[in-house]
Amino acid sequence: EAQVTQNPRYLITVTGKKLTVTCSQNMNHEYMSWYRQDPGLGLRQIYYSMNVEVTDKGDVPEGYKVSRKEKRNFPLILESPSPNQTSLYFCASSLAGGSSYEQYFGPGTRLTVT
Amino acid sequence: SQQGEEDPQALSIQEGENATMNCSYKTSINNLQWYRQNSGRGLVHLILIRSNEREKHSGRLRVTLDTSKKSSSLLITASRAADTASYFCATALMDSNYQLIWGAGTKLIIKP
Repeated sequence: EAQVTQNPRYLITVTGKKLTVTCSQNMNHEYMSWYRQDPGLGLRQIYYSMNVEVTDKGDVPEGYKVSRKEKRNFPLILESPSPNQTSLYFCASSLAGGSSYEQYFGPGTRLTVT
Repeated sequence: SQQGEEDPQALSIQEGENATMNCSYKTSINNLQWYRQNSGRGLVHLILIRSNEREKHSGRLRVTLDTSKKSSSLLITASRAADTASYFCATALMDSNYQLIWGAGTKLIIKP
């Protein structure tokens, strides 16, 4: 089954404790992206990747890191999480060129930073 | 930057009625996409309409695009309880191949 998976689905952590949210897709998509969703603000893009070893900042990259060492995986790293990073996070992938093709979304990771 | 704005923010209708949601945007686009999100879950792609298209259909969904007014509408005909969800429009800007700009969504409730 074609899908985007994220882990963990739920995470409660404390300020400053490094964490990684994994994302994997099995569709051989070139483009992958991370979003955060906050009430009333829609989706905001954090980082995106056009292909292996190619990443770039989205609209709200501060406090986040990403890497793309393999085509299928695109982990999101919070080196020192803060309470304002409490949010619902989505990973997405598409065939190529993020805005020209439909995006496939993972189920989301609900992160709470206390 | 928030380019797409959906209207209304919330909509509650009876099952069987038609639901119309609108999306307005500010700058020229390459395409516009509509997505559905069931409560707290991942978004699901519904329709992509390109800037040179005026209307597209998919089952009970009809999307129109008016580039002169910088607006799009999503019509769901003969609504069902399962259509209860939030609906988002996302615009692909002309000067960016890689980013979609998302609106805040319309929350649709279908009453049985």
